[in-house]
Amino acid sequence: NAGVMQNPRHLVRRRGQEARLRCSPMKGHSHVYWYRQLPEEGLKFMVYLQKENIIDESGMPKERFSAEFPKEGPSILRIQQVVRGDSAAYFCASSGDRGPGNTIYFGEGSWLTVV
Amino acid sequence: QQQVKQSPQSLIVQKGGISIINCAYENTAFDYFPWYQQFPGKGPALLIAIRPDVSEKKEGRFTISFNKSAKQFSLHIMDSQPGDSATYFCAADDYKLSFGAGTTVTVRA
Repeated sequence: NAGVMQNPRHLVRRRGQEARLRCSPMKGHSHVYWYRQLPEEGLKFMVYLQKENIIDESGMPKERFSAEFPKEGPSILRIQQVVRGDSAAYFCASSGDRGPGNTIYFGEGSWLTVV
Repeated sequence: QQQVKQSPQSLIVQKGGISIINCAYENTAFDYFPWYQQFPGKGPALLIAIRPDVSEKKEGRFTISFNKSAKQFSLHIMDSQPGDSATYFCAADDYKLSFGAGTTVTVRA
């Protein structure tokens, strides 16, 4: 009964490179969320996706960040031309049907360090 | 603008004591209020949750109290143990989670 799987767990990128973070939701879950956690801070919503659709991207920076959740395969959070301020933990979460009481489960996170 | 306000930022409690964390919200569209526990280097894990038509929910040593008219809810950790030392986040759910800033709880043996 695998949970939400994220990889890589740790990623180091030089400024200007691209970072790709992958997330496989729990089995049977079709709703995926990405959150960012800066050091010593809370979790900030980035984007909410269903299969092949972006439902809400109100928390995504306007530039350099994109997310997808294709029909087949994991959800991808892509950060282009990374800067030091992108260093953070990125958490993926998933849920089954939406509605009151449908729990959102989190993965263990991907820690991005930009040097 | 933070939709869920959480306090205190940190607290220290003696083993066996009670930890109390408070949260407040404004958006009446929120319809589910979970609490998550996070250990360093790990992802948040669901601890306990409540719906707004319930005033209290207890699971083991953890209790949520919910005041719908005041738009406030709180987590009580009874008989706190060193293993409870973690960061606790309240959250509010409409179709996505909005988190409080977190409370770091330290339980001293």
